[in-house]
Amino acid sequence: GENVEQHPSTLSVQEGDSAVIKCTYSDSASNYFPWYKQELGKRPQLIIDIRSNVGEKKDQRIAVTLNKTAKHFSLHITETQPEDSAVYFCAARDGQNFVFGPGTRLSVLP
Amino acid sequence: GAGVSQSPRYKVAKRGQDVALRCDPISGHVSLFWYQQALGQGPEFLTYFQNEAQLDKSGLPSDRFFAERPEGSVSTLKIQRTQQEDSAVYLCASSLPAGEDNEQFFGPGTRLTVL
Repeated sequence: GENVEQHPSTLSVQEGDSAVIKCTYSDSASNYFPWYKQELGKRPQLIIDIRSNVGEKKDQRIAVTLNKTAKHFSLHITETQPEDSAVYFCAARDGQNFVFGPGTRLSVLP
Repeated sequence: GAGVSQSPRYKVAKRGQDVALRCDPISGHVSLFWYQQALGQGPEFLTYFQNEAQLDKSGLPSDRFFAERPEGSVSTLKIQRTQQEDSAVYLCASSLPAGEDNEQFFGPGTRLTVL
């Protein structure tokens, strides 16, 4: 089955700097990769996703890149703001369900 | 309702008790998923329904865990003879048909603490 690894486990950045979170997956058949943001005590919410037929997708300050050959994908957040502080999870579709990474706790320092 | 709801939000059980966790998906969502999220970890897949059919239960950790969705809407996750290692947040998610990369919408979760 699919295995997803995520790095770093914690990340602190100054407000206005960029943040990058990286994930690797094991199953070359995986073709859909969502990213979720989970604030403390709240439900995970989808922030961006990418399908395997594209290499990059952007939505305002958030972008995701995918390297199918290397089986890794990354989340990029530019111009970080304090409200970006949360735990971020990457995931890879495995059949009809999803395998999640262990999460990255992002802290944006004012 | 506008989103996925779960009840109860918090449950404390004594070891050995049975518990039942409820999920109300978004109306019209045929796919429903249960996940277990331990403290500081990502959600781990437990089981998946399409309508009333349980198509995948490979993630259920033991035969003490049982899920049902008899009418293809509300789902219940039951844990029998709870153990301390069952303590976690149990998340439910629903979506339009799962095979089409439709977004999964998560509920707020039920935090289960087994003493």
